[in-house]
Parts: sequence; C-alpha cells; structure tokens
Amino acid sequence: SAVISQKPSRDICQRGTSLTIQCQVDSQVTMMFWYRQQPGQSLTLIATANQGSEATYESGFVIDKFPISRPNLTFSTLTVSNMSPEDSSIYLCSVIYAGENIQYFGAGTRLSVL
Amino acid sequence: GEDVEQSLFLSVREGDSSVINCTYTDSSSTYLYWYKQEPGAGLQLLTYIFSNMDMKQDQRLTVLLNKKDKHLSLRIADTQTGDSAIYFCAESMRNFNKFYFGSGTKLNVKP
Repeated sequence: SAVISQKPSRDICQRGTSLTIQCQVDSQVTMMFWYRQQPGQSLTLIATANQGSEATYESGFVIDKFPISRPNLTFSTLTVSNMSPEDSSIYLCSVIYAGENIQYFGAGTRLSVL
Repeated sequence: GEDVEQSLFLSVREGDSSVINCTYTDSSSTYLYWYKQEPGAGLQLLTYIFSNMDMKQDQRLTVLLNKKDKHLSLRIADTQTGDSAIYFCAESMRNFNKFYFGSGTKLNVKP
C-alpha cells in the first residue's frame, strides 16, 4: 500500500483567491496525477504531473487556472487560481509506483469557495 | 474518452450479497479495478483483475469479468453496514497513463 499525505484536508476560501494543495508520497513514484471530484460526481483527471517539466493537462483544464509543480519524485502541488464557487470540489492526488499497475489515492482536499 | 458505466444506486439488507455492475467500451484495457469511497474520504483500492482473467476472489469480494460483453461485477458476500459507500470501477490502458472511472454506485446497507 501507499502512504500519501495531502494537505490541506479541507479549506474554505474567498472568491478570487488561490489555494495550493500539496501531495507528499512516502517513496519515489513514476506517475502523479491530480483529479477533481465535483459534488456527487465521478473523478475527472485534471493533469499528469511530470517531474521537472510542465504538467500534461486534459481537455478543459489549463495551466493558468491549475498550475502544477513536481520538483521531485515524491512531491507535487496543485494550485487552484482565481477561485470561483464553481471550483468547490474535492481535489485528489494519486500516484503509481514503478513496476506497479495500481493507482493509489490521497485522502483528498475538500474545497469550498464562497 | 472511454465510457465506463455503472448504475447509480444499490440498496441491500445486512447479511445479503451485493452485486455491483460495470460496463466498459474499450477492449484494449489491461486492468480493471474496484475502488471504495467512504464519506469524506479518498478512494481506497479494493481489488483489481487482469483483463485475461475471468474471476478473482478475495475474502468477501468476488470479481467477475466477461470480456466478450465488456462487463465487470463486484460481489460482496455477507454485506455489512460498514460496506455502505460509493464503489467506482475503473479501467487502465496498456501504459497506465490513463485510467477511466465509472460514475460510481452508491451502496446503502440497511440493518
């Protein structure tokens, strides 16, 4: 199993501000992903975080709104910029370890934007 | 993208078996997964099956895969109230850089 620490676990933010979410893994992983789960819905992949280079974004998500960093093989951040109430969601970090075929998830960050 | 579909709700009585179903469209998927999400938590991997297998059993959980019909099911024997959660099926493609998730099935277990 994996040890994935995601911070903060929840936050309430004001419209127009930004929030940075951190994801720390217990050991090196090959792949890190960021997902959004809107209330009552399934997971939507935002981007794949690439170590040392720009993240790979899915259709509908852009770097200006969701900048992502991955400075090393165990850590990544996702920033939700210029927030609006529509950004209220759970944001989930997930990882895949080398040689494995399983995606492990962090506990998520519950974001409410007022 | 790929379509992974699940029914939205299932209600069972404690002690009964639960069967949660999932259909997918891409026959090139390599692994299929079942995740559990309890209220306020992330996704917990329950079990997974390689696409060339028909069945996998792990304690109270039985996964059945019908590759011809692209149908995956999760059977929970002797369902308990602690099994109440949302269950997601997911499939991965050959190089694991894409996972596709179903909409989730909310399982309600009545005492």
